[in-house]
Amino acid sequence: DIQMTQSPSTLSASVGDRVTITCRASQSINIWLAWYQQKPGEAPKLLIYKASTLETGVPSRFSGSGSGTEFTLTISSLQPDDFATYYCQQYNTFWTFGQGTRVEIK
Amino acid sequence: EVQLVESGGGLVQPGRSLRLSCAASGFTFDGYAMHWVRQPPGKGLEWVSGISWNSGPLGYADSVRGRFTISRDNAKNSLFLQMNSLRADDTAFYYCAKGRGDCRNTNCYFDYWGQGTLVTVSS
Repeated sequence: DIQMTQSPSTLSASVGDRVTITCRASQSINIWLAWYQQKPGEAPKLLIYKASTLETGVPSRFSGSGSGTEFTLTISSLQPDDFATYYCQQYNTFWTFGQGTRVEIK
Repeated sequence: EVQLVESGGGLVQPGRSLRLSCAASGFTFDGYAMHWVRQPPGKGLEWVSGISWNSGPLGYADSVRGRFTISRDNAKNSLFLQMNSLRADDTAFYYCAKGRGDCRNTNCYFDYWGQGTLVTVSS
C-alpha cells in the first residue's frame, strides 16, 4: 500500500502569508496526486489534480507542484476563506489520503 | 448542478448491518465511476470502495473487504454500500464521491462529494 505523509499537521498563519504544505508518498506516484480542502461540517472540495492542474473555479492563489514522491500545495496569499484542513490524495494505485494539514489563524 | 445526497446512516449495534444510498443528479450517472470515502469524526479521510460505470468493482479498502459491498443502479442514478458485520471502528461520516479520469486504472480523482451520512456503531 502507498502511504501518504503530510507536513506539517497544523500550520498557524496570518492573512496575506504565503503557505506551503508538503505531501510525501512512500513510493513513486508519478503525477497522480490531488489536493482537497475541507471546512468543518462540509465535504471535501477538489482544488488541484494531476499534481499541478487547478480545478475550474479554484482561485489562482492556490498552486501545486511536484512529481514522483514529493509534492507541495502553496497558497500565495492566505485569505480568510482559506482557513481549513487540506488533504493530499494519491491515485496511482488505488486511493490513499494524507492525514491532513490544518491551517489555523495565527 | 451536480448533487450527491447520501442517506441510510444511523446508530447500529456491533455485528449488525446497514445499507447506505447515494442519490445522484446533475450529470450522466452511468458515465462515471463512483466511490465511497469515510471519515471518523474529527479524523482524516479513508477511501472505502469504488465501482466503475458498468458496475465492475474497483476494489475495497483492506479494513472493509469481505464485509462491505458496493453496488449501483444506473436506471435510478443511485449508488449503494451494503455494510455487514459492523464494528465500532466503522463509525464515521460516509461520503459518496464522483470519479473523474481513468478510474479503471485507478488514475481518477474525486471531483464532487456529497455532504455525508453518519454511521455510529455502538451498543
